[in-house]
Amino acid sequence: KQEVTQIPAALSVPEGENLVLNCSFTDSAIYNLQWFRQDPGKGLTSLLLIQSSQREQTSGRLNASLDKSSGRSTLYIAASQPGDSATYLCAVLFNDYKLSFGAGTTVTVRA
Amino acid sequence: SAVISQKPSRDICQRGTSLTIQCQVDSQVTMMFWYRQQPGQSLTLIATANQGSEATYESGFVIDKFPISRPNLTFSTLTVSNMSPEDSSIYLCSAIGLAGQETQYFGPGTRLLVL
Repeated sequence: KQEVTQIPAALSVPEGENLVLNCSFTDSAIYNLQWFRQDPGKGLTSLLLIQSSQREQTSGRLNASLDKSSGRSTLYIAASQPGDSATYLCAVLFNDYKLSFGAGTTVTVRA
Repeated sequence: SAVISQKPSRDICQRGTSLTIQCQVDSQVTMMFWYRQQPGQSLTLIATANQGSEATYESGFVIDKFPISRPNLTFSTLTVSNMSPEDSSIYLCSAIGLAGQETQYFGPGTRLLVL
């Protein structure tokens, strides 16, 4: 069974600080990796998708890296804002087309 | 990107009853899935909804408890049968395979409380 782990479980930072969220997975035979954002009581919003052949993806203040050989991905959020407060979920798509989710990192950005 | 809608958005149900959740995608997709997110937990895949045939269930989930239909490429339903308080969760529909894209999109979820 593929396992996806996210560290830390929770993170609280002052506004303006950069955020670093980590995701690790046990099986390097992945198809792609996706980062999602979930606000309380809401569904999931896709942030970034990294294909297995890519090393990183960027969108605005967000940058996600992927190191398949070590089974790791990192999501960087630059210059954090209170609106970035949410739970961030890492999900890995293995070749069976089923997403395996990490438990998430809950981020609080203090104004 | 795809827009996925779910009905109802939330419900409060009595123990022993059943609830059917609808999922509608605004364009044709190749694969649809149903997930459950229990309070404070991450998402767990319930099943893959197959068009015109029986859904493929993950370990720990059975058709009698969670019957699923997918009559066409853009619509699916999940029924939570004979509910108990342990079924209180958010149920999310997702879809993949839009025009060759591999991003998996999610509906807003259905928040279910069973008393």
